[in-house]
Amino acid sequence: AAGVIQSPRHLIKEKRETATLKCYPIPRHDTVYWYQQGPGQDPQFLISFYEKMQSDKGSIPDRFSAQQFSDYHSELNMSSLELGDSALYFCASSSLWGRAGNEQFFGPGTRLTVL
Amino acid sequence: DQQVKQNSPSLSVQEGRISILNCDYTNSMFDYFLWYKKYPAEGPTFLISISSIKDKNEDGRFTVFLNKSAKHLSLHIVPSQPGDSAVYFCACRGSTLGRLYFGRGTQLTVWP
Repeated sequence: AAGVIQSPRHLIKEKRETATLKCYPIPRHDTVYWYQQGPGQDPQFLISFYEKMQSDKGSIPDRFSAQQFSDYHSELNMSSLELGDSALYFCASSSLWGRAGNEQFFGPGTRLTVL
Repeated sequence: DQQVKQNSPSLSVQEGRISILNCDYTNSMFDYFLWYKKYPAEGPTFLISISSIKDKNEDGRFTVFLNKSAKHLSLHIVPSQPGDSAVYFCACRGSTLGRLYFGRGTQLTVWP
């Protein structure tokens, strides 16, 4: 079965640079979530989109922005990168239909390292 | 504040025995509860879930129990296998399509 695809898998950036992370949800899933997991931490919710509209916003810095496109893929744009942004970034997708949006299915993550 | 807590950072179990992973939550508005398994360098993999209207859900070797009055859920794995060795995250949700709140995870090691 098709899974959530994230690219790139690894990304190394310098401080103050920008980064763009991409997420391709499971086909026919209409909701995308972004989570950040620091070393030894639990995943923290950043932001979500349902049908291309922002549906919820968590602890996402103002330096970050995200959107969901007409094909339902999503991009997380990160500017003025800081050392503390180094983390694993997970994208998850879900669908309101089928199992009523109960389960979220995660991609493999993008490991961002800021030097 | 941490709304979902997994107080045991690690658990070691012999192959064939039962593994019991515990999770406590504080928010009575949570309506759906999930367990994820995570290997290093991979994303969390959905394992099993339970709605707040149930107290037990079973799927093969995995059973999740929910005690709403105690705000506690547990994951039972019987029999445990070495391939079950991974980090297990408990996650809770407050609404349909809502964000997940995760615990810190429990590292399960199943030894032969």
